[in-house]
Amino acid sequence: GAGVSQSPSNKVTEKGKDVELRCDPISGHTALYWYRQSLGQGLEFLIYFQGNSAPDKSGLPSDRFSAERTGGSVSTLTIQRTQQEDSAVYLCASSALTVPNTEAFFGQGTRLTVV
Amino acid sequence: TQLLEQSPQFLSIQEGENLTVYCNSSSVFSSLQWYRQEPGEGPVLLVTVVTGGEVKKLKRLTFQFGDARKDSSLHITAAQPGDTGLYLCAGAKAAGTASKLTFGTGTRLQVTL
Repeated sequence: GAGVSQSPSNKVTEKGKDVELRCDPISGHTALYWYRQSLGQGLEFLIYFQGNSAPDKSGLPSDRFSAERTGGSVSTLTIQRTQQEDSAVYLCASSALTVPNTEAFFGQGTRLTVV
Repeated sequence: TQLLEQSPQFLSIQEGENLTVYCNSSSVFSSLQWYRQEPGEGPVLLVTVVTGGEVKKLKRLTFQFGDARKDSSLHITAAQPGDTGLYLCAGAKAAGTASKLTFGTGTRLQVTL
């Protein structure tokens, strides 16, 4: 596609439910990132994919968080047994390989609200 | 561990004023980028600096990469309300690969009339 697409754009869920957030990166981009942004804050790194593998998942806050990427394209971030502190905007970004500038292109994010 | 510290965290100024935002690290980066994020949107790249000491200008914005490639600054001349937003620096570790970007803590700028 023309840009990074994330769905849903907004998600309200009850505490304890599982949610899945989807990211469609720019076609051909091998690197994919997930970040979390709380209201008014900067970006908190969650996980980084290169192709289908995740060489760095150090930012996942707990074992309730997991992510996968298939076919070197679409990625899904899953949060199990959601808690209120999980409420945030989840941003996905992708970038191309082999360029030193490694510009990241961001989606508009999924705003998750846990009630 | 936060590798990139930005200062100030918040800045509220009037239209026409000048300002500088700093991005500091103890790590060396192969390149450093500045992004701006507006409400409800994802961050958008403003500039990438690659060479130590490099200076790039984008209209009223001047970006500088430190000689040691550990820090950077963003200077805005004659700020306008349209400059309002969250400014983020991001460092990349390795050239030639899609290395992980490390984002700074962010500087929230408010420019009022």
